[in-house]
Amino acid sequence: GDSVTQMEGPVTLSEEAFLTINCTYTATGYPSLFWYVQYPGEGLQLLLKATKADDKGSNKGFEATYRKETTSFHLEKGSVQVSDSAVYFCALSDQHTGNQFYFGTGTSLTVIP
Amino acid sequence: EPEVTQTPSHQVTQMGQEVILRCVPISNHLYFYWYRQILGQKVEFLVSFYNNEISEKSEIFDDQFSVERPDGSNFTLKIRSTKLEDSAMYFCASSNWNTEAFFGQGTRLTVV
Repeated sequence: GDSVTQMEGPVTLSEEAFLTINCTYTATGYPSLFWYVQYPGEGLQLLLKATKADDKGSNKGFEATYRKETTSFHLEKGSVQVSDSAVYFCALSDQHTGNQFYFGTGTSLTVIP
Repeated sequence: EPEVTQTPSHQVTQMGQEVILRCVPISNHLYFYWYRQILGQKVEFLVSFYNNEISEKSEIFDDQFSVERPDGSNFTLKIRSTKLEDSAMYFCASSNWNTEAFFGQGTRLTVV
């Protein structure tokens, strides 16, 4: 079945460090891929998305490229800020499974000044 | 900007009681979902709903759970007889075909 595997956390970085959070997926069809962010005490917010192979999603300095050959959608940011501290979830939706969303386990990021 | 709204934001209930969690999805969306997140753990799929019926449900969504769209705007999750392990944050979401899901702020359910 469809699934998302996300790198384990927690991740602690200094401000302005480079961030990578790995995400790989398994899907029966051609899924759309997403990164959601959850700030402390809040709900899930869409950070970025990509709907087909080689698409790059980007938002707020974050980027992720849909790589079909490696079934990956790694999240990157060149210079993190304290305000980026949150939990990041990789997710996919697959029209072959009724548009259900599958989430990774989440990666907690803490950025220290 | 349209948003998914959930009420209440926090619900405390005694074990064995019934609870109804309410959600108002985005008005032109066709797919509706419930997810839960036990404190500090992953976001777990409960159920998806399309065309006035359940399209998929997880193993978590047993006979104690039910969903309903009683009118054109609300989407509810009912837990018939709550257990301590039902304590979690419950998120409602809605989407259209092959688009991102928009999530509500969640209802924190505490079973005592």
